[in-house]
Amino acid sequence: AQSVTQLGSHVSVSEGALVLLRCNYSSSVPPYLFWYVQYPNQGLQLLLKYTTGATLVKGINGFEAEFKKSETSFHLTKPSAHMSDAAEYFCAVSDSGGNTPLVFGKGTRLSVIA
Amino acid sequence: DAGVTQSPTHLIKTRGQHVTLRCSPISGHKSVSWYQQVLGQGPQFIFQYYEKEERGRGNFPDRFSARQFPNYSSELNVNALLLGDSALYLCASSPGPGVEQFFGPGTRLTVL
Repeated sequence: AQSVTQLGSHVSVSEGALVLLRCNYSSSVPPYLFWYVQYPNQGLQLLLKYTTGATLVKGINGFEAEFKKSETSFHLTKPSAHMSDAAEYFCAVSDSGGNTPLVFGKGTRLSVIA
Repeated sequence: DAGVTQSPTHLIKTRGQHVTLRCSPISGHKSVSWYQQVLGQGPQFIFQYYEKEERGRGNFPDRFSARQFPNYSSELNVNALLLGDSALYLCASSPGPGVEQFFGPGTRLTVL
């Protein structure tokens, strides 16, 4: 079985500060890992994904994440927060064959303070 | 290009009623998945359909059912609604299993 733990249900940063959202996963098989963003009253938008290859993955809106197998982590970072980054962020895992559905964490709400 | 569309946007029902939610995938996508997102939680997998066949089912009671039509659109049906069924229901489409999923805006269901 697969699972995702997102540390911190709410993270608050100042505009221009580093954003770090933590995600740890559990998987008995090589995982595919994803970060999604959800703005109020909207669906999910894919920020970035790790499948195979390079462990540092770059996504949209300046976000990136690094897959660390030894730490079973896939933390999301952005060097400089913008007001428009305020949203709910979800980490998700599936197996590398795509034979299992996405398993999501509980989400982290990011607030950006001016 | 049109993304995943879902209807209705919002829905209010009372306990015991039945509801049907609809989803139209991105053109060319043959796989549709349904997720339930309860307030304050991450989405939970309900069903996946590919080429009109059920490919997977999450841990939901038999009150939940779904189907996929020849044009690859899909319906999610929920019978005997409970208060706990109140949630945002998300539909996601992909060209096939194991490929990136694209999510629709969701249907907000409120059960009174």
